[in-house]
Amino acid sequence: DIQMTQSPPSLSASVGDRVTISCRASQDISSYLNWYQQRPGKAPKLLVSAASDLQSGVPSRFSGSGSGTTFVLTIRSLQPEDFATYYCQQSFSTPPTFGQGTKVQIQ
Amino acid sequence: EVLLVESGGGLVQPGGSLRLSCVVSGLSVTNTYMSWVRQAPGKGLEWVSLIYSGASPFYTDSVKGRFTISRDSSKNTLDLQMDSLRIEDTAVYYCAGGSPKVTTAFDADVWGQGTTVTVSS
Repeated sequence: DIQMTQSPPSLSASVGDRVTISCRASQDISSYLNWYQQRPGKAPKLLVSAASDLQSGVPSRFSGSGSGTTFVLTIRSLQPEDFATYYCQQSFSTPPTFGQGTKVQIQ
Repeated sequence: EVLLVESGGGLVQPGGSLRLSCVVSGLSVTNTYMSWVRQAPGKGLEWVSLIYSGASPFYTDSVKGRFTISRDSSKNTLDLQMDSLRIEDTAVYYCAGGSPKVTTAFDADVWGQGTTVTVSS
């Protein structure tokens, strides 16, 4: 199975900050990498697919980059509604696997 | 608008069975990658099962032989029959799907609100 490792596990930030979350795959997954946002008590929401394709309706302050084994989710200017847990997930091979999550908290 | 609504969760004893159902509107379950993804309390996400036309269903190793995914085209529903339940199956189970916009089977861009399964004696 492909292991997905996110860093950091959690971070504290303020409204307006630029935030970056890293995700590393245990082997080359090309660009088969998705990012999800999960607010407390809610279902995950797909933000970015194919490493850098922003989903329709997702604010442009979110962006994804990377390929191969190293990926990054960037939030350009953190907004109150962005405080949530973010997961990366590889769709390169079965079983599909998620990172352990990065919790973005209010500083 | 696409809407997925799960039902069927509850409390069950170890070794028991439960059947989850997901009513889908706005998408055809027979033409869409449909999945169940779970989240144990305080834990991360785990892809449990996936079904789509032309291929054998996918099951994560820990549920193989115990869970069965199926779909009913007449009702446009997705089901998950869970047998021989274990304490470690306790989780919120999400119904998820891939709209025509997705690239791979394991890109889930539509999700239900989840249904809670608790396995306990």
